[in-house]
Amino acid sequence: DAGVIQSPRHEVTEMGQEVTLRCKPISGHNSLFWYRQTMMRGLELLIYFNNNVPIDDSGMPEDRFSAKMPNASFSTLKIQPSEPRDSAVYFCASSFGTGFAEAFFGQGTRLTVV
Amino acid sequence: AQKITQTQPGMFVQEKEAVTLDCTYDTSDQSYGLFWYKQPSSGEMIFLIYQGSYDEQNATEGRYSLNFQKARKSANLVISASQLGDSAMYFCAMREGNFNKFYFGSGTKLNVKP
Repeated sequence: DAGVIQSPRHEVTEMGQEVTLRCKPISGHNSLFWYRQTMMRGLELLIYFNNNVPIDDSGMPEDRFSAKMPNASFSTLKIQPSEPRDSAVYFCASSFGTGFAEAFFGQGTRLTVV
Repeated sequence: AQKITQTQPGMFVQEKEAVTLDCTYDTSDQSYGLFWYKQPSSGEMIFLIYQGSYDEQNATEGRYSLNFQKARKSANLVISASQLGDSAMYFCAMREGNFNKFYFGSGTKLNVKP
């Protein structure tokens, strides 16, 4: 199994530009999480999908952030417009079932907004 | 209230010695899952060990064991015979609730000294 695949691995963009982060979960997994990690705030859950449906987006910082999961094998996290304070590592993770299965993380996308 | 509390921002341990990383959690659910993840300097999140709330035995995985004390709501990670490669950030996590949302602690940075 290829694991959770995120792209791009690194993104440098100018303030005000739109940024789209992509995630392919592990095949068969039906829960998907987007996290943001910074030194100041640690690991924050942004949004959680179950069976492609957003269950909890209370962690999305503001309207500039949006996430979609059009099918079981693909999700995007979009920031529009981006700001320097959005600079962070963004992780996607997936897990199987609705029980207490562990989540498997992608390698993360390091976003730098200048 | 914080769902997961890790009170040790940083820890040092001598190579080959055992070390305990503390984790306390807050939940009113009877059914939940507890996890530990390792994040080396390379950035990936690696699942280490899982403990279910109904498991009577402490979970073990190789040199990792989870000291589960349900009444105290603690789930400490014990690493035996520390190795230099164990130097990393360690995160405690919990899944609970209707859709088993994932909560992470702030992490403990472990340094193993030769």
